[in-house]
Amino acid sequence: DAGVIQSPRHEVTEMGQEVTLRCKPISGHNSLFWYRQTMMRGLELLIYFNNNVPIDDSGMPEDRFSAKMPNASFSTLKIQPSEPRDSAVYFCASSPGQGGEQYFGPGTRLTVT
Amino acid sequence: RKEVEQDPGPFNVPEGATVAFNCTYSNSASQSFFWYRQDCRKEPKLLMSVYSSGNEDGRFTAQLNRASQYISLLIRDSKLSDSATYLCVVPRGRGGGNKLTFGTGTQLKVEL
Repeated sequence: DAGVIQSPRHEVTEMGQEVTLRCKPISGHNSLFWYRQTMMRGLELLIYFNNNVPIDDSGMPEDRFSAKMPNASFSTLKIQPSEPRDSAVYFCASSPGQGGEQYFGPGTRLTVT
Repeated sequence: RKEVEQDPGPFNVPEGATVAFNCTYSNSASQSFFWYRQDCRKEPKLLMSVYSSGNEDGRFTAQLNRASQYISLLIRDSKLSDSATYLCVVPRGRGGGNKLTFGTGTQLKVEL
């Protein structure tokens, strides 16, 4: 079975550019999460969806960040405009339901110069 | 008290040793707890779930002390392949639901 798929795996962009990160959750999972991980702050939840509906976006740092889940098999996290402090690893995870079993994708390593 | 607090380590231990990590949490309503493992430059992966007083899986034992609000992870007969960062994870809010709070992790290095 394919796990959570994320693309791109690495992204290097210049400050001010738009960045779009993509995620395909595990088929049948009804919850999807976007996390950001840095050395300073660890793993932070940005937003999560349940049945394609955004439930909690309180972790989204600023209006420059937006996330969508148009269907059960696809989600995007967009940063516009990007800034150097956005440099981090962004993980997408999915879960089959309530509880703590979340399955993470390999992450997108974002560098904004 | 922080939502989840862990000693960052690193814990450097020889192969075959027994090592234990502790994690404290602030949400007294949490019913379930988790340990995730993260290898360098990889994604976190679920290692163990703890729903009652504890759980054992081979060389790994997780224990829960609700009165003191801490969770421990014990690794016996440690292997080189156990070298990783171990993340303590606690659901947020009453009942937990889907939102998790991840600790910053404890780094383990197993050496020859």
